[in-house]
Amino acid sequence: DSGVTQTPKHLITATGQRVTLRCSPRSGDLSVYWYQQSLDQGLQFLIHYYNGEERAKGNILERFSAQQFPDLHSELNLSSLELGDSALYFCASSVEGGRSGNTIYFGEGSWLTVV
Amino acid sequence: GENVEQHPSTLSVQEGDSAVIKCTYSDSASNYFPWYKQELGKRPQLIIDIRSNVGEKKDQRIAVTLNKTAKHFSLHITETQPEDSAVYFCAASDDKIIFGKGTRLHILP
Repeated sequence: DSGVTQTPKHLITATGQRVTLRCSPRSGDLSVYWYQQSLDQGLQFLIHYYNGEERAKGNILERFSAQQFPDLHSELNLSSLELGDSALYFCASSVEGGRSGNTIYFGEGSWLTVV
Repeated sequence: GENVEQHPSTLSVQEGDSAVIKCTYSDSASNYFPWYKQELGKRPQLIIDIRSNVGEKKDQRIAVTLNKTAKHFSLHITETQPEDSAVYFCAASDDKIIFGKGTRLHILP
């Protein structure tokens, strides 16, 4: 158990709908990262938050948004869902978020299936 | 931005032999290079990491080497075992942690 908690574990929804994925980082971690992993694909970096502020953005679609709340949990919002958005969405956390190189710990992921 | 290339995409080795996975990165500011192992349907887990001030690091059967001048780093697994079968990801980190596309390692009996 990494200490990173993601909910829901599985989600099936229809095209055009909107979903919210939730992540609670490890106790004491200030950084939260979101990654998308499609079938047989690598880990695509979406976005990084540090202590409530956006720190870096990757290949995140405009239909997707995220935020980190004062209690440090984070939510990833996916809207106008398309079949191609079906993937495993990972949240990861680390103590810091700067340029010192920090180990990140992954949650178990949220499986999203769009039908 | 940072780009990480990983090779090979698939690797099959006989049990007991060694496996080597190679990665290159583009951003010379990257200073931290972790390796993760992901079993089917599970989360990636850190197996070893190296920082830019070190050229080599070893942990039992696993070792990682880093060549900052050439901007490449490698994972070496010796005396491979069936439980080493998984997908391995390298990553390079500055303020973003960018992963390679992964290597699917098969250990053959």
